[in-house]
Amino acid sequence: KAGVTQTPRYLIKTRGQQVTLSCSPISGHRSVSWYQQTPGQGLQFLFEYFSETQRNKGNFPGRFSGRQFSNSRSEMNVSTLELGDSALYLCASSGLEGSPLHFGNGTRLTVT
Amino acid sequence: KNEVEQSPQNLTAQEGEFITINCSYSVGISALHWLQQHPGGGIVSLFMLSSGKKKHGRLIATINIQEKHSSLHITASHPRDSAVYICAVPRAGNQFYFGTGTSLTVIP
Repeated sequence: KAGVTQTPRYLIKTRGQQVTLSCSPISGHRSVSWYQQTPGQGLQFLFEYFSETQRNKGNFPGRFSGRQFSNSRSEMNVSTLELGDSALYLCASSGLEGSPLHFGNGTRLTVT
Repeated sequence: KNEVEQSPQNLTAQEGEFITINCSYSVGISALHWLQQHPGGGIVSLFMLSSGKKKHGRLIATINIQEKHSSLHITASHPRDSAVYICAVPRAGNQFYFGTGTSLTVIP
């Protein structure tokens, strides 16, 4: 099986712009979750989608949004980018409830 | 207070040494996860355990539910074990509390 694929791997944006990141889960996995990782805050949960519905949401402003398509692929969008949004964004997919997470290699976003 | 505490934050070991990383948590859990992150960012799930002990190669994970404590051991450490090790406990669905990570460097 192909692993979790995230695109793009690297992204440089300017303050005020918006960005869309993509995540293709492992075939058959219906849960996709997104995480932000920064040196100061570590790994933080953004949101989780299951069967096209947002199931859980972390404590992030409304500028962070996401969606999931019928093929389980997911996108996250960050609008009005701020310097503090510079981070590694990771997505993970999983199958049945309680099964291990499978992570993508992440998208490294730099906001200048 | 963080729901998940890891120690140590940084660890340097000589090749061949036995390594222990600790994780304490304050919430009730169904299972605890140990993750490995290599430079470059990708994260690999090493273990998911809810009781007792699991072993995979040179890696051993243990958990004591009553004491809310888990340990990750690496026997006969090797430079390729150099990575950040993160413990995580579920909050709801795939929403997790994460430890701050332990950065391990194994010197040849």
